[in-house]
Amino acid sequence: SAVISQKPSRDICQRGTSLTIQCQVDSQVTMMFWYRQQPGQSLTLIATANQGSEATYESGFVIDKFPISRPNLTFSTLTVSNMSPEDSSIYLCSAVTLGEGYTFGSGTRLTVV
Amino acid sequence: DAKTTQPPSMDCAEGRAANLPCNHSTISGNEYVYWYRQIHSQGPQYIIHGLKNNETNEMASLIITEDRKSSTLILPHATLRDTAVYYCIVGTGNQFYFGTGTSLTVIP
Repeated sequence: SAVISQKPSRDICQRGTSLTIQCQVDSQVTMMFWYRQQPGQSLTLIATANQGSEATYESGFVIDKFPISRPNLTFSTLTVSNMSPEDSSIYLCSAVTLGEGYTFGSGTRLTVV
Repeated sequence: DAKTTQPPSMDCAEGRAANLPCNHSTISGNEYVYWYRQIHSQGPQYIIHGLKNNETNEMASLIITEDRKSSTLILPHATLRDTAVYYCIVGTGNQFYFGTGTSLTVIP
């Protein structure tokens, strides 16, 4: 199955700033997704990263807060904008390849102070 | 939204079989049952998936009821390293919506 590299693995950021998280897959994949996992909680789907077009956001998530890019079939970025302490979470990238199922990155642990 | 219901926590003695149940009464005909687990601070790890038939791989077995409204993940000989949160997900392989999962603790 695909291998996902996600960086940074962790960061501590000041409120009001933005952080861009990168997700690199070692092979071309069909779909890529971004999840958020708040402390002690399950994973929540933020959006589907569409190659060459705007991402598809889930209810409760908007492009201005979480802009996403996917310039090709193996790379995507998620930006967390104008951060507040409530954005402190683990952000996970995932990818799916037909016949191989979902693979997840190891996540980015974000702390906003 | 998640379509599955799982018990929030379970314990299992080391070396014994761990049987993790999942209810998915609204599953559609073309939806698979997937199981993933998340060990603390890591990304979720694929375990197994199935459509109708029971499945087995090197990690686990998946038993799906005939009406497909529920399933059970079986870890045949649980070890301490199997302590994790186990997620049962139903879907077609596109978007995955995670439920709350079962926190399995393997006890020495």
